[in-house]
Amino acid sequence: GDSVTQMEGPVTLSEEAFLTINCTYTATGYPSLFWYVQYPGEGLQLLLKATKADDKGSNKGFEATYRKETTSFHLEKGSVQVSDSAVYFCALIRTGGFKTIFGAGTRLFVKA
Amino acid sequence: GAVVSQHPSRVICKSGTSVKIECRSLDFQATTMFWYRQFPKQSLMLMATSNEGSKATYEQGVEKDKFLINHASLTLSTLTVTSAHPEDSSFYICSAPGLLGNTEAFFGQGTRLTVV
Repeated sequence: GDSVTQMEGPVTLSEEAFLTINCTYTATGYPSLFWYVQYPGEGLQLLLKATKADDKGSNKGFEATYRKETTSFHLEKGSVQVSDSAVYFCALIRTGGFKTIFGAGTRLFVKA
Repeated sequence: GAVVSQHPSRVICKSGTSVKIECRSLDFQATTMFWYRQFPKQSLMLMATSNEGSKATYEQGVEKDKFLINHASLTLSTLTVTSAHPEDSSFYICSAPGLLGNTEAFFGQGTRLTVV
């Protein structure tokens, strides 16, 4: 079945460090790919998305590129801030589908 | 964008009682809604798919009689946790799919349930 695999956390970085959170997926066809962020005690917020191969989603300095050949959608940010501390979820919706399938989530801690 | 409102955001109840969580689509109609459960420091697990006018579809391992889902209208789905026990304490979140397939879902704010 469809699935999403994320790198295990937690990830601890100093402020202004470069961030990469790896995400790979398994799905037939061309799923849509998403990154969601969950701040402590809150619900989910859509961070960015990509709906076809080679698309780059970007928002708030974060970006991720849909790589069909490697079935990946790695999240990157050039310079993290303390306020980026949260849990990040990679997710997909299969072609023609409606269910969102989530990865396990990666907790990010950014130190001042 | 489309808004999904979930209520309550937090609830504390005693063991043995039932708790109802509401999920409303505010500016669009949703014939389908999804209910997820999130254990502490874990991912979101799909519990069931709520279908307007018909029975919900439950994922494997989810007790239908414990987690009652009703999709009474095109804008409201409810999840009732019956005879709650401390192990039911969790974060529950609902979502409605995007207007087209493959587009992002719209999530409610989530409900943190604590059973004491």
